[in-house]
Amino acid sequence: DTGVSQDPRHKITKRGQNVTFRCDPISEHNRLYWYRQTLGQGPEFLTYFQNEAQLEKSRLLSDRFSAERPKGSFSTLEIQRTEQGDSAMYLCASSSPGQVRNEQFFGPGTRLTVL
Amino acid sequence: GENVEQHPSTLSVQEGDSAVIKCTYSDSASNYFPWYKQELGKRPQLIIDIRSNVGEKKDQRIAVTLNKTAKHFSLHITETQPEDSAVYFCAASGSYQLTFGKGTKLSVIP
Repeated sequence: DTGVSQDPRHKITKRGQNVTFRCDPISEHNRLYWYRQTLGQGPEFLTYFQNEAQLEKSRLLSDRFSAERPKGSFSTLEIQRTEQGDSAMYLCASSSPGQVRNEQFFGPGTRLTVL
Repeated sequence: GENVEQHPSTLSVQEGDSAVIKCTYSDSASNYFPWYKQELGKRPQLIIDIRSNVGEKKDQRIAVTLNKTAKHFSLHITETQPEDSAVYFCAASGSYQLTFGKGTKLSVIP
């Protein structure tokens, strides 16, 4: 499968614990995005990387959230001291710099449940 | 920032009929408007998109129209089939991030 992949697909954790998600973009894509989707809503932008540089962070991304893309390939999203309000689907997307359009391809998501 | 409104939130049509979903956006700098289809428990999949220098684009049974002056764009699905049943999201983008609408749950009744 040459599409965007995410791991794990599901994560159940207790409030206060830290969690980390991984995203592997399409191999030639240098742009990577994280979105959060709650039930009945559209995805909401969290952050954006071009290669290893994090170029934009949404106000939705509190200090408890941190994202990295150390070698410009895969990315990780860490949530510290999880809260019940963090329960959501976390989606990763990637796009190619050569595109005229900002066509973003999404991964299957990581569903986080905070108890 | 950008704000995207999408209507209706739910839509039921008989198989073979047409479906229309409408979106409005607020930021005149937005120039890229994709539509995604999301089936239950699956990833959003891009089905069609349009840039602001084009007024209409068609791909088989799916078409999108854009009115830049009025800041609205629409998705048209003709000859609907049961497999078209899903949640459809519109989005707008001026640079990199996509701002999504809240989605339309389309049900095609056989």
